[in-house]
Amino acid sequence: AQKITQTQPGMFVQEKEAVTLDCTYDTSDPSYGLFWYKQPSSGEMIFLIYQGSYDQQNATEGRYSLNFQKARKSANLVISASQLGDSAMYFCAMREGGYGGATNKLIFGTGTLLAVQP
Amino acid sequence: DSGVTQTPKHLITATGQRVTLRCSPRSGDLSVYWYQQSLDQGLQFLIQYYNGEERAKGNILERFSAQQFPDLHSELNLSSLELGDSALYFCASSVGGPPLRSGNTIYFGEGSWLTVV
Repeated sequence: AQKITQTQPGMFVQEKEAVTLDCTYDTSDPSYGLFWYKQPSSGEMIFLIYQGSYDQQNATEGRYSLNFQKARKSANLVISASQLGDSAMYFCAMREGGYGGATNKLIFGTGTLLAVQP
Repeated sequence: DSGVTQTPKHLITATGQRVTLRCSPRSGDLSVYWYQQSLDQGLQFLIQYYNGEERAKGNILERFSAQQFPDLHSELNLSSLELGDSALYFCASSVGGPPLRSGNTIYFGEGSWLTVV
């Protein structure tokens, strides 16, 4: 069965420092996608970054990068130069393969609450 | 702004009542998903529609139903509401279709906060 595990319920980081949020996944499907979302206290779910299982390079989006280690089934999010506005809940999610939108649902981890300290 | 529009943003209703949550997907997106986020259950997938047809079903209660209309907007109907239905309900959308190589990112709306009293 598909599963996403985020083992860090909460983390602190100093402003301007880098932080790594851990995510491991389990799937038997060779075709899958991994996502990270940010949920601030206001509640909205903001897409940050995507990594496909066939992608050779680690995904990067501005200050966000995804450390994808396929053999270890991990997809850690790295936030560089943390800002106060990065304080939020971060969710890792996985979507298994499928064509025609057949099975594109996301399975979420339990989230990591990140607090950036000045 | 993700481009996914959800209404209403906040809703307070009494037990036993029925509510309808509305979602307009991003322009060009054919897939619509509904998720429920509660403190005890986390983020739970409820149901997915693709171009008007139901594609996948998750932990959706029989008291809940959804549909996607020809203009691709979707509604989630929650009936016989119970206190435990209080949650943040998200709609999300994606292009749907071809392989994951295209990314096919799923974007979320801002959610509808439902409080059942």
